[in-house]
Amino acid sequence: LAKTTQPISMDSYEGQEVNITCSHNNIATNDYITWYQQFPSQGPRFIIQGYKTKVTNEVASLFIPADRKSSTLSLPRVSLSDTAVYYCLVGEGSSYKLIFGSGTRLLVRP
Amino acid sequence: DAGVIQSPRHEVTEMGQEVTLRCKPISGHNSLFWYRQTMMRGLELLIYFNNNVPIDDSGMPEDRFSAKMPNASFSTLKIQPSEPRDSAVYFCASSLEENSPLHFGNGTRLTVT
Repeated sequence: LAKTTQPISMDSYEGQEVNITCSHNNIATNDYITWYQQFPSQGPRFIIQGYKTKVTNEVASLFIPADRKSSTLSLPRVSLSDTAVYYCLVGEGSSYKLIFGSGTRLLVRP
Repeated sequence: DAGVIQSPRHEVTEMGQEVTLRCKPISGHNSLFWYRQTMMRGLELLIYFNNNVPIDDSGMPEDRFSAKMPNASFSTLKIQPSEPRDSAVYFCASSLEENSPLHFGNGTRLTVT
């Protein structure tokens, strides 16, 4: 399983765009990149998944360069309610094999 | 869609007592997972069921822990006897298929005194 490295914490202000980068240097050919979000006192929630280039949904965008050794989760115009822990996971796809690391704790300030 | 439902939301018990945590997965999902989350160890997979059959229980810490899935709409995680180090938040998750995104419940916060 590819190991991931992401910042422990990030601060931002309301209305700003936030980009969280995840490094996964030993990603395998069949691996997908998946991001989850966890609010206090709740379980993690799936945000987005991608394999290469760019994926966008109503919540976020995921940018993956050609070498796939890193990925960037982009949250447009964050609000206070986006304060959460964001996890980057890399794996072949079987959900139960994906490992949740420490995540990135995002704090959005007024 | 009510999501994954876990009960109880909070459980406080004394060391040595039996604890049973319950989970109702999303209807139609055929994969179910039990996770444990602590500050020290983060989110750890305990056991994974596919079509009600345990597929991988290598994350179950020891024999005091057991999990069952008698039917597609119900699962239990039992700890007997409980110990203070079992204190954690226990999450149940389900997915439509083995490789589909996980849908988590809101967890059971267990405190063993």
